Amino acid sequence: GQQLNQSPQSMFIQEGEDVSMNCTSSSIFNTWLWYKQDPGEGPVLLIALYKAGELTSNGRLTAQFGITRKDSFLNISASIPSDVGIYFCAGQNYGGATNKLIFGTGTLLAVQP
Amino acid sequence: DAGVIQSPRHEVTEMGQEVTLRCKPISGHDYLFWYRQTMMRGLELLIYFNNNVPIDDSGMPEDRFSAKMPNASFSTLKIQPSEPRDSAVYFCLSRGASNTEAFFGQGTRLTVV
Repeated sequence: GQQLNQSPQSMFIQEGEDVSMNCTSSSIFNTWLWYKQDPGEGPVLLIALYKAGELTSNGRLTAQFGITRKDSFLNISASIPSDVGIYFCAGQNYGGATNKLIFGTGTLLAVQP
Repeated sequence: DAGVIQSPRHEVTEMGQEVTLRCKPISGHDYLFWYRQTMMRGLELLIYFNNNVPIDDSGMPEDRFSAKMPNASFSTLKIQPSEPRDSAVYFCLSRGASNTEAFFGQGTRLTVV
């Protein structure tokens, strides 16, 4: 199936460090979403972006919708141990013909106290 | 609302057996998506429904897989016959009027031996 390219694949950082990950697509989307998945659970929505260039924050998380509409990034500032998990981007053409939500390959984040 | 309910949480079955996974979406949501998650392929969209009607099943891997949504409160994903390569975590995503109203179930971990 179709997938988005997400990088890095994994990150191992110290508590307090900032984190940045990004997602690219060959297709244009009108919606970008970022999810976090804890072990044994389903992904949980963190941030939703609906407009090219949009910059949105949710606590220590900041995400941006790329101008080209083919990319997005997520930053986490001052990481803490509970940030550990797998982060997924997802792209969608909401309201379009398909409404499919296509997921990135995921970024595994490990935070050492 | 109890959220998206998937059952069973874990399923271990022998190759060749029929497997049925179940999902109860959130009341009032009109979209339901089935995803499969593996280490190698990430989150793959299998099929999705809008108002109980299958819209896109292009992600269903082969004829052994089938999905139904007989009413707004219940969907099944069936694999018959099952094979070891079907081992994965299967997620159901329930979505309402916007992406901020999209929630995953806790998933069903399927192991086919």
